Amino acid sequence: DAGITQSPRHKVTETGTPVTLRCHQTENHRYMYWYRQDPGHGLRLIHYSYGVKDTDKGEVSDGYSVSRSKTEDFLLTLESATSSQTSVYFCAISESKAGNYEQYFGPGTRLTVT
Amino acid sequence: LAKTTQPISMDSYEGQEVNITCSHNNIATNDYITWYQQFPSQGPRFIIQGYKTKVTNEVASLFIPADRKSSTLSLPRVSLSDTAVYYCLVGDFLSGGYNKLIFGAGTRLAVHP
Repeated sequence: DAGITQSPRHKVTETGTPVTLRCHQTENHRYMYWYRQDPGHGLRLIHYSYGVKDTDKGEVSDGYSVSRSKTEDFLLTLESATSSQTSVYFCAISESKAGNYEQYFGPGTRLTVT
Repeated sequence: LAKTTQPISMDSYEGQEVNITCSHNNIATNDYITWYQQFPSQGPRFIIQGYKTKVTNEVASLFIPADRKSSTLSLPRVSLSDTAVYYCLVGDFLSGGYNKLIFGAGTRLAVHP
């Protein structure tokens, strides 16, 4: 699992409230990613980071912000949650291993916005 | 950015070989082909990756024809535990291309007793 944990694992929140999801890794990986997954869809990239304080937008970044103040933590913030942000959120890292370029995913956070 | 097309779903029976084909007509010279497996309530898991010809590991084989416009993931002798969604991805991973990947809806494989 490349030492990836996500917290919380489940959260229910109300529309308009701020929410922060945390991704923590223990193996000093440079690249980290946040995805969301909705029923019937694959994963869609929200934001990614290529180092401390270095982040960039992905395919579906509107309504989300991220921060990475230290290598091991990548935070995803919903400034004002909306029902359309109800989803499962996955954090990932990428690394080169045995000649392959792989991504490892965390266990996911199920977020429900009511 | 190479777009992939794969079947929405497939059915098989235990012990059979399953082949899932992915089409990627506009694959670029530096793009690699990668397959992931996802079980319910879990994140995707890397299965296999290749650039051309054939790649085999302990769980699957990946066949890539010379024109690289398609690829086939082969799962030998599937079991019920292979029931999952399988994603085909194409990207220039060497240049950090994970930020440009599109997972798509994947292929939902159902293995029956």
